[in-house]
Amino acid sequence: GAVVSQHPSRVICKSGTSVKIECRSLDFQATTMFWYRQFPKQSLMLMATSNEGSKATYEQGVEKDKFLINHASLTLSTLTVTSAHPEDSSFYICSARDPRTASEAFFGQGTRLTVV
Amino acid sequence: RKEVEQDPGPFNVPEGATVAFNCTYSNSASQSFFWYRQDCRKEPKLLMSVYSSGNEDGRFTAQLNRASQYISLLIRDSKLSDSATYLCVVTLIYNQGGKLIFGQGTELSVKP
Repeated sequence: GAVVSQHPSRVICKSGTSVKIECRSLDFQATTMFWYRQFPKQSLMLMATSNEGSKATYEQGVEKDKFLINHASLTLSTLTVTSAHPEDSSFYICSARDPRTASEAFFGQGTRLTVV
Repeated sequence: RKEVEQDPGPFNVPEGATVAFNCTYSNSASQSFFWYRQDCRKEPKLLMSVYSSGNEDGRFTAQLNRASQYISLLIRDSKLSDSATYLCVVTLIYNQGGKLIFGQGTELSVKP
């Protein structure tokens, strides 16, 4: 089946630095990918919709200048957490749907970010 | 009101029990409905899609009532391996490429 790969799976960074997370669709082209964040014991919250070749659409309350999204190709979207703070520590997951099957959404493995 | 609401958990049940999860959604324009399963510290995985006619997959049965905006998941003869968090998921507008809205999840713990 279709696969979405996310990298890195785990990262620890210092406050004030930036972290880039990559999300790739391995065997299908995704014009749209989604970025979610999940805090412990909470559900996934949609942060933004990544659109290939155009600006991302951010959900209410998500700072676009802090969470930079780039979707430069049909198989790759990146999320950069800029000037990270400890409160940004969370589990970040991307997802995409295979337009050929038009049903199941596939998720990357997630990135556990810890800001110290 | 949350867009997708689920039973608060956790559910603690013995092996072999039947467990029912309930979910309601607020937007009547919702298009597609799913149950996902998420194990601790892992990404969600699709358990099953939910159709108006109801659908069954082995020990799992899902139901959708569009009039009541209600979705359910029934697990029969629960196994230890069923322990996980179950997420009710709704998509709003199909041509947005699959934007998923998640319920808060209901944690299930199956005990020997």
